[in-house]
Amino acid sequence: DTAVSQTPKYLVTQMGNDKSIKCEQNLGHDTMYWYKQDSKKFLKIMFSYNNKELIINETVPNRFSPKSPDKAHLNLHINSLELGDSAVYFCASSHNGESRQFFGPGTRLTVL
Amino acid sequence: AQRVTQPEKLLSVFKGAPVELKCNYSYSGSPELFWYVQYSRQRLQLLLRHISRESIKGFTADLNKGETSFHLKKPFAQEEDSAMYYCALIHGSSNTGKLIFGQGTTLQVKP
Repeated sequence: DTAVSQTPKYLVTQMGNDKSIKCEQNLGHDTMYWYKQDSKKFLKIMFSYNNKELIINETVPNRFSPKSPDKAHLNLHINSLELGDSAVYFCASSHNGESRQFFGPGTRLTVL
Repeated sequence: AQRVTQPEKLLSVFKGAPVELKCNYSYSGSPELFWYVQYSRQRLQLLLRHISRESIKGFTADLNKGETSFHLKKPFAQEEDSAMYYCALIHGSSNTGKLIFGQGTTLQVKP
């Protein structure tokens, strides 16, 4: 299947822990994104990478650190998790020259 | 500042009724606008975009620059249209820009 995939699908953890979410796309796209969907279903961009280079970095706490080992992967590491980090995190990708973005299934993070 | 507004959090209609999901935007320059849909337990997916001027699953949307609107319409709603709908615009270059989303509207089509 050609798609954007994320692991894990669900993540439940304690406050203060460090966790990572992984994203992979096999669509041959050049740009990848992380979006956060909060409890009110509001979606907001967090980061964007183009060919492994950071191009968008919204006002996100520096506890969040994206890493792109290659253009098919964009991982999100979160340090010292807080209750307010509970949300669904969506990865997306797009091809150079195309505005359409393809989304992953989402990772539901619950911080207790 | 660039912004997308969807004034209705929930729109509930009966099957067969017309549907209009409202979207207004604020953007300096020529916007590129989209409607994304999220069905229950599924990922967000593109429904349509204004540059394509197409009809997908019976839905259409016309960009009205005078009213800064991009409302989504369907003449006869079906139960399978029940989902969360997001209006969005691209800020920045088309291929590396960020999507700015509205707050989303839940469409509920009752039998």
